Amino acid sequence: ILNVEQSPQSLHVQEGDSTNFTCSFPSSNFYALHWYRWETAKSPEALFVMTLNGDEKKKGRISATLNTKEGYSYLYIKGSQPEDSATYLCALGGGADGLTFGKGTHLIIQP
Amino acid sequence: NAGVMQNPRHLVRRRGQEARLRCSPMKGHSHVYWYRQLPEEGLKFMVYLQKENIIDESGMPKERFSAEFPKEGPSILRIQQVVRGDSAAYFCASSPRYGGEGTEAFFGQGTRLTVV
Repeated sequence: ILNVEQSPQSLHVQEGDSTNFTCSFPSSNFYALHWYRWETAKSPEALFVMTLNGDEKKKGRISATLNTKEGYSYLYIKGSQPEDSATYLCALGGGADGLTFGKGTHLIIQP
Repeated sequence: NAGVMQNPRHLVRRRGQEARLRCSPMKGHSHVYWYRQLPEEGLKFMVYLQKENIIDESGMPKERFSAEFPKEGPSILRIQQVVRGDSAAYFCASSPRYGGEGTEAFFGQGTRLTVV
């Protein structure tokens, strides 16, 4: 059973501030790491899929980095806006085991 | 191209009844995942299916739960003799193939099962 840990569990950030949070995973047998954004009352939406050590992906004000050797990925949000409030999920895998999700980081942007 | 469609959105069952949850994957997607979100918990993997095959059901309870993804039609998650502890949101996701780039899973809106 893969163990995917996300920290912190929840985070309050002032509007306009930048923030980041972590996804940790076993570094052996790495296949791919996914980030999803999950807004309340909606279904999770894919943000990034990363496969290579050192990968960095960016979408608007959100970016992610990947370190497969040490088993972690960071998600960064620059200049947080109220619409960024959501739960951010990371998931490890692909392959025959499907995706294993962490419990998420619940981000609240305070005006 | 419609997204992943789940129905019903809300399902109420009495203890002991059967619950059938349906998931129609996105067009062209042949991989389906089912996840369960229990109250106060994150998403937990249940089962991974390809057309007519169960690839991994390690997250699914051994009893009362079954899943299928037939050649034609939606994927079905079936819960027999439901109990209160089965009350949860059940999400289905689909992807075009398993793996890395370009294989993001797209999620349905979920089915919220309430057992009374």
